[in-house]
Amino acid sequence: DSGVTQTPKHLITATGQRVTLRCSPRSGDLSVYWYQQSLDQGLQFLIQYYNGEERAKGNILERFSAQQFPDLHSELNLSSLELGDSALYFCASSVGFGGNPALDTQYFGPGTRLTVL
Amino acid sequence: DAKTTQPNSMESNEEEPVHLPCNHSTISGTDYIHWYRQLPSQGPEYVIHGLTSNVNNRMASLAIAEDRKSSTLILHRATLRDAAVYYCILGGGSGGGADGLTFGKGTHLIIQP
Repeated sequence: DSGVTQTPKHLITATGQRVTLRCSPRSGDLSVYWYQQSLDQGLQFLIQYYNGEERAKGNILERFSAQQFPDLHSELNLSSLELGDSALYFCASSVGFGGNPALDTQYFGPGTRLTVL
Repeated sequence: DAKTTQPNSMESNEEEPVHLPCNHSTISGTDYIHWYRQLPSQGPEYVIHGLTSNVNNRMASLAIAEDRKSSTLILHRATLRDAAVYYCILGGGSGGGADGLTFGKGTHLIIQP
């Protein structure tokens, strides 16, 4: 158990809909990362937040957005869903935001499996 | 971004050592070498990281070539629980930022009982 929690575990929805995935980081971690894992694209970094501020952006679509709240939990919002958005979505957390790999080790949650029908 | 090259898959026997290679010929002077693994149906899990010197922890050892163009993750005594996809990732480079990890395809390690 990494200490990172994600809800829900599974989500089934229809094309065109909007969903919100939730992540609670490990106690004491200030950075939260979101990743998408699909069969054809592998594990891809989407976005990072540190202490409430967006820190780095990866291959995140404009239909997707995220935020980190004052209690440090994060939400990933996916809208206008398409069949191709079906994937596992992982959240990870770390203590730091850079400069010290010992503090930047990322701890991953168990993921949310999204199925778009 | 500097890239890594790993074999697609490797097979080993239980209770034997496993050496997982990774080539990273374009590594920059400030890139750390990180290893993560992903067990079936789980999120990735940190294994080890290093910069220049060999590193040991309770999970594994990391041997880094003198020119840093390659490295080897060593599992000293593989168990069935070590069957996973192992990812070699470069990061923490000149930008110093804990940016998102760039996962390649990794090495699928199969452990035979």
